[in-house]
Amino acid sequence: QKEVEQNSGPLSVPEGAIASLNCTYSDRGSQSFFWYRQYSGKSPELIMSIYSNGDKEDGRFTAQLNKASQYVSLLIRDSQPSDSATYLCAVQVAYNTDKLIFGTGTRLQVFP
Amino acid sequence: EPEVTQTPSHQVTQMGQEVILRCVPISNHLYFYWYRQILGQKVEFLVSFYNNEISEKSEIFDDQFSVERPDGSNFTLKIRSTKLEDSAMYFCASSEETKGHNQPQHFGDGTRLSIL
Repeated sequence: QKEVEQNSGPLSVPEGAIASLNCTYSDRGSQSFFWYRQYSGKSPELIMSIYSNGDKEDGRFTAQLNKASQYVSLLIRDSQPSDSATYLCAVQVAYNTDKLIFGTGTRLQVFP
Repeated sequence: EPEVTQTPSHQVTQMGQEVILRCVPISNHLYFYWYRQILGQKVEFLVSFYNNEISEKSEIFDDQFSVERPDGSNFTLKIRSTKLEDSAMYFCASSEETKGHNQPQHFGDGTRLSIL
C-alpha cells in the first residue's frame, strides 16, 4: 500500500514567520511530487512541483526533496493570513502511472 | 489563465438514480482525471483517461462508474446507481502530455454530490 503521510496540524505561525510543512512517502520509486493548497470547501490548487533532489523556489514558496529519506517539504516565507489553508502533498509513484496519491493535508493557520 | 470547469457545482440525487458529472478540461491538455474527496478525508484517485480510453482506474471505480469524452471538449463521469456512500466532492483534473516527468494536474472547482 503506497502511502503519503502528513501531520494534520493545525500548524499555527505568526504573520511574517516561516511555515514549514512536511511530508513522507512510502514508495522509494516515487518520481514526481506536488504541493497543493486547499481552502475549506474548495478544490486543490497547485503551488509547486518538484522532481529532483534539492530545493526549488518560487516566490515565497520553497519545495525541498530528499529521495534518500523519502521526504518532501514546503517552506512558506513571510507567511500571511491568506496562506491559512490545508496544504496537500501529492505523489506520483512511477513514470507509468498517472494517479496522484494524496496525504491527508496539514492545516496551516497564520495569525496576525 | 486557462482552467478546468465543472458542472454542476452541486448535485442532489435520490439513492439509486443515475448522475452525470461534467467537466471541460484545459484545452491543450491530453490527460484527464477524476478524483473524489469524502468530507474530512483524503483526495482519492478514481480514474485517468487518455487517447479516448481509460489508462488507469482505482478499486473505487467499479462497474457503477463510467467515463466518456463525448466530444472534443467535455469529459464526463457517470454513476449508474448511486449509493449513500457516493456522497462526496468530485474533482476533475487535466494535465499536459507527459514528457519524462508526470506533468502537474490542474483541478476544477468540483461538484458536490449529495445522495439522499
